[in-house]
Parts: sequence; C-alpha cells; structure tokens
Amino acid sequence: DQQVKQNSPSLSVQEGRISILNCDYTNSMFDYFLWYKKYPAEGPTFLISISSIKDKNEDGRFTVFLNKSAKHLSLHIVPSQPGDSAVYFCAAQPAGNKLTFGGGTRVLVKP
Amino acid sequence: KAGVTQTPRYLIKTRGQQVTLSCSPISGHRSVSWYQQTPGQGLQFLFEYFSETQRNKGNFPGRFSGRQFSNSRSEMNVSTLELGDSALYLCASSWDTDTQYFGPGTRLTVL
Repeated sequence: DQQVKQNSPSLSVQEGRISILNCDYTNSMFDYFLWYKKYPAEGPTFLISISSIKDKNEDGRFTVFLNKSAKHLSLHIVPSQPGDSAVYFCAAQPAGNKLTFGGGTRVLVKP
Repeated sequence: KAGVTQTPRYLIKTRGQQVTLSCSPISGHRSVSWYQQTPGQGLQFLFEYFSETQRNKGNFPGRFSGRQFSNSRSEMNVSTLELGDSALYLCASSWDTDTQYFGPGTRLTVL
C-alpha cells in the first residue's frame, strides 16, 4: 500500500524553464511534507518543506504547493538549472518522525 | 555546523554475518532515524531513537536493531545477514519532530 506516490518516474526540461514535480498521498494523518534531492550513492538533501496548515511555501527558486482536499503536493523549480538534475523525492510524516517517501522522479535539465 | 556523519561508508559482508553501522547526528539534534534504500523497495523507514529510547519503528524483522547513546550518537545492527539486506542505509537527524537531515549513507553489500 503506497501511501505516497510520485507518478512520473522521470522529467526532462530545458534549462531556464519551469520544472513541476507532483506527489499524491492517501494518509490524511500526514501533516508535514518535504522534498529532498538525491544523487546516486549519497544521502537525500533537504530542499523545502510545508506544514499542513499552509498551502504554499517558497524558498528561492523552489516553491511547494499543498492541496489538502486533493491530497496532492507539487514542487516548482524556476528557473531550472543543469545542476538541478537529480532524483527528487517527496516525503510525508504524521505527528512524529516516520517519513514515508514516494518512489522518486528523475529530473534531467538540458542545457 | 557539521552535518550528519555515517561510518563506515562502504561495507562488504557475507551471508550469516552481522554488521554494525554508526551515525553521528548534527550537534544539538536529539532524534536519529534510520532508513533503508533498495532499488526494489525505495526508501523505507527502519526506526527512530529519541533521547536513547526507540520512539518509532517500521516494518522490519527483529534482525534489525538499534540503539542511541547519551551523546545522541546511534548505532544500527543487522544480524544473520541475508542477500536482500544489501542496500544503502541512511541515517537522519532532527531536533525533534521537525525536518530530518540525512547523512551520506553506508553502502552494505552482502555476498
């Protein structure tokens, strides 16, 4: 039972354009959501998070949107840069430290 | 501030052996969580320790165990290794139930 799903396994985007990554969840107990960026054989790097009491959070080129009624969140990267090429994971947690991860989306930013 | 450190970075063991992995959290962080990443199962939560007590547990067999010391450093032990235990083991630390920051991981190969 996948409680967090990233339905797009890969995404290719031109440098300078917007990257939009999507994530759906099923567990209504999740109240904190995070996005991580990961390179092979390395640990995930925290990018941005959002609490369930908000619907948007911005940090530089990264914006996360949360639609609680649809149980959907998205990450926007604007503008996309070649260094953004990596695997992106969304993660969710209830009140407590037990992250549930999606399957990841591999992003390729073409120069 | 130094990040999360994990030792060793790489480990090769044979079936039936046991292994101990170590994690040093970010200074001041009291929570340490462990995750397993495999190509088939993705990133999965193992357990979390907070103030030397196991606070959360994932769905892994009893061969996987851990502990936390008074300085918040944590160890994870896997006994009677199986081929399927080959994975990247990730440790993450947080102050409490907030954003988790990951270490670089320990790549375990079981032959």
